[in-house]
Amino acid sequence: EPEVTQTPSHQVTQMGQEVILRCVPISNHLYFYWYRQILGQKVEFLVSFYNNEISEKSEIFDDQFSVERPDGSNFTLKIRSTKLEDSAMYFCASRGQGSEAFFGQGTRLTVV
Amino acid sequence: AQSVTQPDIHITVSEGASLELRCNYSYGATPYLFWYVQSPGQGLQLLLKYFSGDTLVQGIKGFEAEFKRSQSSFNLRKPSVHWSDAAEYFCAVGTILTGGGNKLTFGTGTQLKVEL
Repeated sequence: EPEVTQTPSHQVTQMGQEVILRCVPISNHLYFYWYRQILGQKVEFLVSFYNNEISEKSEIFDDQFSVERPDGSNFTLKIRSTKLEDSAMYFCASRGQGSEAFFGQGTRLTVV
Repeated sequence: AQSVTQPDIHITVSEGASLELRCNYSYGATPYLFWYVQSPGQGLQLLLKYFSGDTLVQGIKGFEAEFKRSQSSFNLRKPSVHWSDAAEYFCAVGTILTGGGNKLTFGTGTQLKVEL
């Protein structure tokens, strides 16, 4: 069964460092998303990406965040200068012609 | 703006007992509704979805949910819980984006514990 794959599963980074979270969506999907879940809180929408551009972003997704689909298979989330409050589980999701999103296993980001 | 409320943060049931997890939503149009399950250290797995039509929807692992427009609810049920159902359950409402696709607004989740 096709699935969304995220790497790494756990990333530890120092405050102020740049971090790139990687995702391989399901191959024939068209819509791509990043969500995050701070420990003990709800899953929050960050950004959606379609046709090589951002279609919507939340207020969380400020100038420190960017997304890219560099090679037609990977979908990345970059955080330019990490802050302690960026520590969270980050989920990538993709959607095809159907209306449900399929989520990856998540990357746990710890900023120290 | 859309929102989802899951009033129960924790629920404990005995194995074999029935289960109902509550979900209420706020959304101006006809909602797309979802239930996801998250096991420890795992991602989010879709249990079931409602878009239109029959208000009782069947999902995986023996779960079902009923959409009640008059109550703005989409409660998840299972007649007989198994120990492996212990996990966190999230209700979500989907919003269509003008740029294409949709986004999900999640509830805070209900942690299910199953006693043997």
